Amino acid sequence: GQQLNQSPQSMFIQEGEDVSMNCTSSSIFNTWLWYKQDPGEGPVLLIALYKAGELTSNGRLTAQFGITRKDSFLNISASIPSDVGIYFCAGQLYGGSQGNLIFGKGTKLSVKP
Amino acid sequence: NAGVTQTPKFQVLKTGQSMTLQCAQDMNHEYMSWYRQDPGMGLRLIHYSVGAGITDQGEVPNGYNVSRSTTEDFPLRLLSAAPSQTSVYFCASSYSTRINTGELFFGEGSRLTVL
Repeated sequence: GQQLNQSPQSMFIQEGEDVSMNCTSSSIFNTWLWYKQDPGEGPVLLIALYKAGELTSNGRLTAQFGITRKDSFLNISASIPSDVGIYFCAGQLYGGSQGNLIFGKGTKLSVKP
Repeated sequence: NAGVTQTPKFQVLKTGQSMTLQCAQDMNHEYMSWYRQDPGMGLRLIHYSVGAGITDQGEVPNGYNVSRSTTEDFPLRLLSAAPSQTSVYFCASSYSTRINTGELFFGEGSRLTVL
């Protein structure tokens, strides 16, 4: 099936540092979304992007929909301990099934106080 | 406002047993779906529904059945459990008219172990 390549797989950072992660694909996407999953919980939507080139912020989080429509990145500024968790990118393929949201394999973030 | 409620939260089955994972949402969402989450695999779509009476297969549907008789409920049935179905299962819903926005609300998950 279609794949999203999400990197890095894991990150160990110091509190206060900035974080950057991204997703790429060989296919074109209509929509890019970023979710966060806390341990033992379901994923929660952070940011949704619907137009190529769109740059959207949510507090300390900033995400962009790549111009080529094949990639997206998420930045977290000034990380804090509660940023710990797994971050997933997800996308809807151009011309894909209405129901099918494809997820990346996740980036596990650890923050050292 | 309960959101998406999944039951049970934990379940242990023996190979060959059947069971149903329940999912209910109180947001009047048309779109509902089931994902499974395995280590290193991310989330993979099992089945989804765009409204009552309408269901379709996702990426990994084999071994699972679904039905959607009401807007609120979307149960996932395992007819004959196998160890390969050991996973964490998430139900998710979304407001949807013609287009699924992808903005999903997830339940807390059901952790299933098949021995």
